[in-house]
Amino acid sequence: AQSVSQHNHHVILSEAASLELGCNYSYGGTVNLFWYVQYPGQHLQLLLKYFSGDPLVKGIKGFEAEFIKSKFSFNLRKPSVQWSDTAEYFCAVNRKAGSYQLTFGKGTKLSVIP
Amino acid sequence: DTAVSQTPKYLVTQMGNDKSIKCEQNLGHDTMYWYKQDSKKFLKIMFSYNNKELIINETVPNRFSPKSPDKAHLNLHINSLELGDSAVYFCASSQVVGRTGNTDTQYFGPGTRLTVL
Repeated sequence: AQSVSQHNHHVILSEAASLELGCNYSYGGTVNLFWYVQYPGQHLQLLLKYFSGDPLVKGIKGFEAEFIKSKFSFNLRKPSVQWSDTAEYFCAVNRKAGSYQLTFGKGTKLSVIP
Repeated sequence: DTAVSQTPKYLVTQMGNDKSIKCEQNLGHDTMYWYKQDSKKFLKIMFSYNNKELIINETVPNRFSPKSPDKAHLNLHINSLELGDSAVYFCASSQVVGRTGNTDTQYFGPGTRLTVL
């Protein structure tokens, strides 16, 4: 079974700082990769996804992520965070071909200080 | 228009009661899911239905019973509620792509916060 690790439990940044959130997965086959964001009191929203092609994917609100197959990683980045980026961020994986199951990491809480 | 909707948004009930949470999606997707998010924000799949057929049934107490009357609805019924059932329950939907069963992005509902007293 696949698993997802998010290394940082809670990240605290000042506005305009750069962000990188780590995500590693364990599964030897081909996968689809996702980052979801959950703003306080709200549901999960898709930030970006990788299915195939260019390993550097751009999402909404200035976020991007890079898939590095050799490292089984899909780290999320943003060059300059804003207070409104304060939220919980979840990395998720599902296997291609026949898997309906989305496996989530435990989430990283991002707090941005104005 | 809300793509994935859940009712109720909040549910407070006593231990031992039976309750249901309803989910509807208007995206035309053929696969729906129930997730449980615990107090530490960890999200775990509970069930998944594809075209009204149960395809994922994780290790969940049999007090939890999903029901899918049609492709657009997936309801969750919980019998004999326990304190540990307190959590936020999220419904989601997606579309299977191609013949290999590859699923596209999952879209989540707003969640139902269940509190068992």
